[in-house]
Amino acid sequence: NAGVTQTPKFQVLKTGQSMTLQCAQDMNHEYMSWYRQDPGMGLRLIHYSVGAGITDQGEVPNGYNVSRSTTEDFPLRLLSAAPSQTSVYFCASSYSPNRVGNTEAFFGQGTRLTVV
Amino acid sequence: GESVGLHLPTLSVQEGDNSIINCAYSNSASDYFIWYKQESGKGPQFIIDIRSNMDKRQGQRVTVLLNKTVKHLSLQIAATQPGDSAVYFCAEGGSNYKLTFGKGTLLTVNP
Repeated sequence: NAGVTQTPKFQVLKTGQSMTLQCAQDMNHEYMSWYRQDPGMGLRLIHYSVGAGITDQGEVPNGYNVSRSTTEDFPLRLLSAAPSQTSVYFCASSYSPNRVGNTEAFFGQGTRLTVV
Repeated sequence: GESVGLHLPTLSVQEGDNSIINCAYSNSASDYFIWYKQESGKGPQFIIDIRSNMDKRQGQRVTVLLNKTVKHLSLQIAATQPGDSAVYFCAEGGSNYKLTFGKGTLLTVNP
């Protein structure tokens, strides 16, 4: 049981480049989400998914796309990287919070992205 | 919009003392509240949660208190150890599972 796996761990992009951050979980969780973490800002929700084929926007969705073709995978795509997207990105997964005793979200180890 | 905030950005305690980390929230419709611990270079790790129909929940060395009247949440860590040094985040969520995180409190445990 690997939990939540994010790749890559580090990435440097030039402005205007595109890339995909990968996230996979093997816990059969319905919910998956992407956050970015900036100094002094805490974690901010980018996009989330409540199940395969269903995605929705979070607090800071601009410049990012997601898809959820399978329960296990939830990739985050940067369409045209900008310096403002320099951040640490975390993927998380969980069961439905309506399941009693299951509000815990499991986080990946993060992807540190620098856009120059 | 709704947000979760923290009263203190940093907290320094002596090893063996009890630690209390506070959090204020503003969304009275939130169903549950969670505390996460984040060590340097790692992702957040679940500590404990509490539902809105409870006012106290205990785990191993940790207790979460919820005061819905004043919209206040606290995390108490008993007999704080050097391994407890980390950033602690509170988060609130509802049925749509859009977690809102606070900015975090840095806990430093001095030996």
